[in-house]
Amino acid sequence: DIQMTQSPSSVSASVGDRVTITCRASHGISTWLTWYQQKPGKTPKVLIYAAAGLQGGVSSRFSGSGSGTDFTLTITNLQPDDFATYYCQQSNRFPFTFGPGTKVEIK
Amino acid sequence: EVQLVESGGALAQPGGSLRLSCAASGFSIDDYAMHWVRQAPGKGLEWVSGISWDSPFIDYADSVKGRFTISRDSAKNALYLQMDSLRTEDTAVYYCAKDKGRFGELMLDWGQGTLVTVSS
Repeated sequence: DIQMTQSPSSVSASVGDRVTITCRASHGISTWLTWYQQKPGKTPKVLIYAAAGLQGGVSSRFSGSGSGTDFTLTITNLQPDDFATYYCQQSNRFPFTFGPGTKVEIK
Repeated sequence: EVQLVESGGALAQPGGSLRLSCAASGFSIDDYAMHWVRQAPGKGLEWVSGISWDSPFIDYADSVKGRFTISRDSAKNALYLQMDSLRTEDTAVYYCAKDKGRFGELMLDWGQGTLVTVSS
């Protein structure tokens, strides 16, 4: 199975900051990577698909990059609505796997 | 509008069984891959099982393989998860999710979830 790791596990940031989250796969997954945002009590929402594709309706302040084993999610000009937990997920092969999540908290 | 409504969550004893259902509307489940994803209280997301649009491809997380069975009913436009030999670590909210495509890529639309509690 492909294992996904994320760093950091949590980050404290201020409104207006730039935040970068890293996701690493244990085996190469090409660009079969999705980023989700989840707020407390809510279901996950797709932000980025295919490593760098911006999902419709998602702010352009979110961007993704990477291929193979190393990926990043970048949030620019952090807004109050962005404080949430972010997960990466690989779909290169079954079983699909999620990263453990990165919680973005208010500093 | 895509809607997914899960049901069947309950309190079950270790070693017991439950069957989760997911009623889909606004689309045909025959046209998309479908998934079950769970989230234990205060924990992260765990993909549980997925089924491709035409059902020949099915897979499970190692943690549930041999105990859980995913299936679909085209006539009812519904997805199911048969959960046998339940363990305390299966306690979680179980979400039904619709894929973006037919063969499995990402979980685009989610139900609100159904809570499964396994405890004696």
